[in-house]
Amino acid sequence: DAGVIQSPRHEVTEMGQEVTLRCKPISGHNSLFWYRQTMMRGLELLIYFNNNVPIDDSGMPEDRFSAKMPNASFSTLKIQPSEPRDSAVYFCASSFSGDNQPQHFGDGTRLSIL
Amino acid sequence: SQQGEEDPQALSIQEGENATMNCSYKTSINNLQWYRQNSGRGLVHLILIRSNEREKHSGRLRVTLDTSKKSSSLLITASRAADTASYFCATVFPSGTYKYIFGTGTRLKVLA
Repeated sequence: DAGVIQSPRHEVTEMGQEVTLRCKPISGHNSLFWYRQTMMRGLELLIYFNNNVPIDDSGMPEDRFSAKMPNASFSTLKIQPSEPRDSAVYFCASSFSGDNQPQHFGDGTRLSIL
Repeated sequence: SQQGEEDPQALSIQEGENATMNCSYKTSINNLQWYRQNSGRGLVHLILIRSNEREKHSGRLRVTLDTSKKSSSLLITASRAADTASYFCATVFPSGTYKYIFGTGTRLKVLA
């Protein structure tokens, strides 16, 4: 079975540019999570969806960040405009609903903002 | 600060030795999960222990949970070079949400 698929794997862009990260969750999973990982702050939950509906976006750092889940098989995380401090690895994870369900992570997008 | 904090931050052992990592958390939980992250990859779920369990085994992994001390430990027995990775504990807070909080991680290096 295919796991969580993220694209692109690497993104290098100049500050001020719009960045769009993409995620395809595991088929059948109804919860989707976006995380950001940095050395300084570790793994931070940005936003999560349940049944395509955003439930908690309190981890989204600023209004420059937005996330959508137009259907059960696709989600995007957008940064506009991007800044150097947004450089990090961004992970998408999916699971069945419930706090006792294991999360399945993609291999992340390594984002570098110059 | 983080809901979960692992210690040690880094651990280096010889192949065949046991590795023990600890996780402390701050609030009451329904369960606690452990994950592994290999370099350049996403996290992989290892094991879940419920709040009413004290110990759980899965292959070479043994997890304990002490809710009175708000702590958990992960023991990897007979370690292998392939166990080299970072290990994280995760809890849900507040309880009843899907808001996973990951600890700071332990970087384990197993020397062949």
